[in-house]
Amino acid sequence: GAVVSQHPSRVICKSGTSVKIECRSLDFQATTMFWYRQFPKQSLMLMATSNEGSKATYEQGVEKDKFLINHASLTLSTLTVTSAHPEDSSFYICSGTTEGTEAFFGQGTRLTVV
Amino acid sequence: QKEVEQDPGPLSVPEGAIVSLNCTYSNSAFQYFMWYRQYSRKGPELLMYTYSSGNKEDGRFTAQVDKSSKYISLFIRDSQPSDSATYLCAMNSGGYQKVTFGIGTKLQVIP
Repeated sequence: GAVVSQHPSRVICKSGTSVKIECRSLDFQATTMFWYRQFPKQSLMLMATSNEGSKATYEQGVEKDKFLINHASLTLSTLTVTSAHPEDSSFYICSGTTEGTEAFFGQGTRLTVV
Repeated sequence: QKEVEQDPGPLSVPEGAIVSLNCTYSNSAFQYFMWYRQYSRKGPELLMYTYSSGNKEDGRFTAQVDKSSKYISLFIRDSQPSDSATYLCAMNSGGYQKVTFGIGTKLQVIP
């Protein structure tokens, strides 16, 4: 299957700082990227959908000014958690798709805000 | 009622057993059905991708979709300890549409 590289895999940051997570599609062009967060023992919750060159579409309840998504190229999308707080601690996962078929996931980023 | 229902388990089976994992759903618009395997602290890995009703086989894995019953299954033959993971079903109504996930079933294959 196609490969999506996500990093960092783990990050610890202080409350009030910002953290950037990158996702790169290595062997395909991801026209659409999805960003999810996953709490322990829960399923993936879609945060936002981004199409290359367009503004991201955020799911209800997700603050777009807090979770900044950039999808500037067909192979790179970034999620920046701004002014992070302990309640933002979670597992963040991106996935990319091309032609709207199956989506391939990154390895995930475990964010801990202290 | 959740759009996708999946028993979280855990499900423990002996090595070599046939494993049956299932999901039910309520949205009749779903057309594409996926199964992902997720190891602890890792992103999901796509196992099977099917469209509409029917069966699809890939090695030890068989995916079944019964749209009339809104029921999908994943069978794992000759299960191995390395199959121990959480299995997530997922589905959507078409390309670029939001994917809805089940909560995942935690599987443990005991040597």
